Amino acid sequence: KQEVTQIPAALSVPEGENLVLNCSFTDSAIYNLQWFRQDPGKGLTSLLLIQSSQREQTSGRLNASLDKSSGRSTLYIAASQPGDSATYLCAENTGNQFYFGTGTSLTVIP
Amino acid sequence: EAQVTQNPRYLITVTGKKLTVTCSQNMNHEYMSWYRQDPGLGLRQIYYSMNVEVTDKGDVPEGYKVSRKEKRNFPLILESPSPNQTSLYFCASSGGSEQFFGPGTRLTVL
Repeated sequence: KQEVTQIPAALSVPEGENLVLNCSFTDSAIYNLQWFRQDPGKGLTSLLLIQSSQREQTSGRLNASLDKSSGRSTLYIAASQPGDSATYLCAENTGNQFYFGTGTSLTVIP
Repeated sequence: EAQVTQNPRYLITVTGKKLTVTCSQNMNHEYMSWYRQDPGLGLRQIYYSMNVEVTDKGDVPEGYKVSRKEKRNFPLILESPSPNQTSLYFCASSGGSEQFFGPGTRLTVL
């Protein structure tokens, strides 16, 4: 059974700091990996999608990497802002099923 | 606007009373899926559909039914809801890679 793990479960940083969120998965036959943001009581907003053939993707202050051999993905957030406070989820796509981590709850302190 | 819609957004019901949560997407996506989100457990896939008339069980299908008679719609049916099905439910669709999520349905079964 596929497992997706996100560490840390919670993170609190001062505004302006750069930070890294981690996602580990067990299936090396990954099709793609997607990072989402979820605000309290809300739906999921897609941030970045990395195909299995890619090493990284960038969007604004966000950069996501994928290392299939080690089963790891990271989400790098540069110059964090209070508006970045949310829960960040990663999801492994095996081709027809998606497996989610339990998320990292990020708080950026002004 | 490209979107996934779910109805109702909030529902309180009693044990054993059949209910249906509707899901519709306007992006002509072939893949659709249902998830439930519970504290500490993250998002878990209930059912998914690769195309019209093709559905498959996810990780937690017990107590749920789905149907896919049209490409755009993928309703979730609880024939006899029980309190352990109290949860936040999300519908999602995908055109092959990226998943797009609906706003969620908060279900309480008394």
